[in-house]
Amino acid sequence: GQNIDQPTEMTATEGAIVQINCTYQTSGFNGLFWYQQHAGEAPTFLSYNVLDGLEEKGRFSSFLSRSKGYSYLLLKELQMKDSASYLCAVFRSNDYKLSFGAGTTVTVRA
Amino acid sequence: EAQVTQNPRYLITVTGKKLTVTCSQNMNHEYMSWYRQDPGLGLRQIYYSMNVEVTDKGDVPEGYKVSRKEKRNFPLILESPSPNQTSLYFCASSRPGSTQGEQYFGPGTRLTVT
Repeated sequence: GQNIDQPTEMTATEGAIVQINCTYQTSGFNGLFWYQQHAGEAPTFLSYNVLDGLEEKGRFSSFLSRSKGYSYLLLKELQMKDSASYLCAVFRSNDYKLSFGAGTTVTVRA
Repeated sequence: EAQVTQNPRYLITVTGKKLTVTCSQNMNHEYMSWYRQDPGLGLRQIYYSMNVEVTDKGDVPEGYKVSRKEKRNFPLILESPSPNQTSLYFCASSRPGSTQGEQYFGPGTRLTVT
C-alpha cells in the first residue's frame, strides 16, 4: 500500500504565490504527477517529476525529493482561474498503478 | 480531436440492475484505467488495462468488471449495483512507458444507485 498526503485546503490572494506540499510512501516509485481539477470537470495533467529537482512550466513549477518522499507544486502570479483542486499522484513501475492523494482545494481571492 | 469519451454522463438506477458505462479513446493508447471519485477520498483506481485482453485490479475492484476486447474501448460493468457504488466515475488513457502516469481523462459519469 501507500500513503499520499496533501493539505485539504489553501487560500491565497490574486497575484500571490502558493505552495502545495505532497508527501508519499510507496514501493516501485516511477514518477510524481500533479493534476488540476476544476469543480465539475475532469482532472487535467499539469506536471511530472521522476528525478530530483525542479521542473518549471510557465507559472507552475513542481519539485521532487525522492529520498524524502516529498514534492511540491508552486503556483506563481495567482489568477482567479487557478481556483481548483490540485491532485498529487504517484505512479508505480512494479504494478503500473497510479495512486492519488485526496487533493488540495485552492481558493484564490481578489 | 484527441479525446476520451464516456457514456452515459449521468445515470440514476436501482439496486441490482446491471449497467455498463462505456469508455472510448481515439489516441491509440495502450493503457486505460477506471477511477471513482468520492468526497474526501480522492480518485481511487478500480481496474486498469495495459493492452488488449490484459486487465488488472486496482485498489477498489470489488463489485466491478471490465473487458478490453479492442484497444480503443474499455467498458466498466456493474453486475449488481449497490448504493455504495454511487460515485463520480472517470475513465483515462495514456501512452506506455515512463509517462504512463500522464493520463487523459474522460468527462466523467455521475452514477446514483438508489
